[in-house]
Amino acid sequence: EVQLAESGGGLAQPGGSLRLSCAVSEFTFSAYWMSWVRQAPGKGLEWVANIKEDGSLQYYVDSVKGRFTISRDNAKNSLYLQMNSLTGEDTAIYYCVTHSNWRFDSWGQGTLVTVSS
Amino acid sequence: QSALTQPASVSGSPGQTITISCTGTTSDIGRFIYVSWYQQHPGKAPKLIISEVSNRPSGVSDRFSGSRSGNTASLTISGLQAEDEAHYYCCSYTGSGTSTLWIFGGGTRLTVL
Repeated sequence: EVQLAESGGGLAQPGGSLRLSCAVSEFTFSAYWMSWVRQAPGKGLEWVANIKEDGSLQYYVDSVKGRFTISRDNAKNSLYLQMNSLTGEDTAIYYCVTHSNWRFDSWGQGTLVTVSS
Repeated sequence: QSALTQPASVSGSPGQTITISCTGTTSDIGRFIYVSWYQQHPGKAPKLIISEVSNRPSGVSDRFSGSRSGNTASLTISGLQAEDEAHYYCCSYTGSGTSTLWIFGGGTRLTVL
C-alpha cells in the first residue's frame, strides 16, 4: 500500500515562504502524476497544483499561480511545494496525493500551514 | 470556475438509502466522465470511494454507488451504517484549457441517526 508522508508545514508570517515535502514509498512514484490538495480549517477541499510524471508539466489553481511552485525528485521519490508570498488565505492542511486515471487515489495525512503575524 | 454545489447536510437511519447530489455545469460534470467522490472522517485524510462517475475502487463497499444525469452527479449509499457518518466531497475535471483543472464540491455532512 502506498505511503505518503508530508512535512514542512508550520507557522509563517504573511509574505513569508514555506517549502512542503512529501516522501512517497511502496509506490512507483515516477510513473504517476502527483498533486497537492488543501483544506482550510473547517472548509472543503481545494486542488492546488499537479505535476506530470517526469516533472515537465505543471498546473496550478489561479489563486496560487506565480506564488507556488510544485516540483518532484523521482530519484528520491519526493514531491515538493514551494510557497512564497503567503497570505492568510493559504492557511490550510496541505495533502500530498497520488493522481492516476483522472482521480486522486491515495492521500497523505497532511501538513498544517498557518499564515499569521 | 465555481465550486460544485452539494447539499450541506443529509441524514438517514441505519439501513436506509441516501443520495447526495453534486451539481456542476456543461463545462465540468456535464462534459467529462472524470467525476469522483471522496469520504472524509473527522481528523482524517479523504479517501477515494468512486471514480469516473460510477467506478468503485477495490476495497470500497458495494453499498456505495455513483451516477450522473446531465450536469448533476450523485452518490448513493445503501444499507446505511454508523461508520458511514462522514463528510463527502465530489470532484470533477474541468479540462486543461481552464484555469482550474479540478474542482471540488463544498462537501456534504452525512449524519446517521
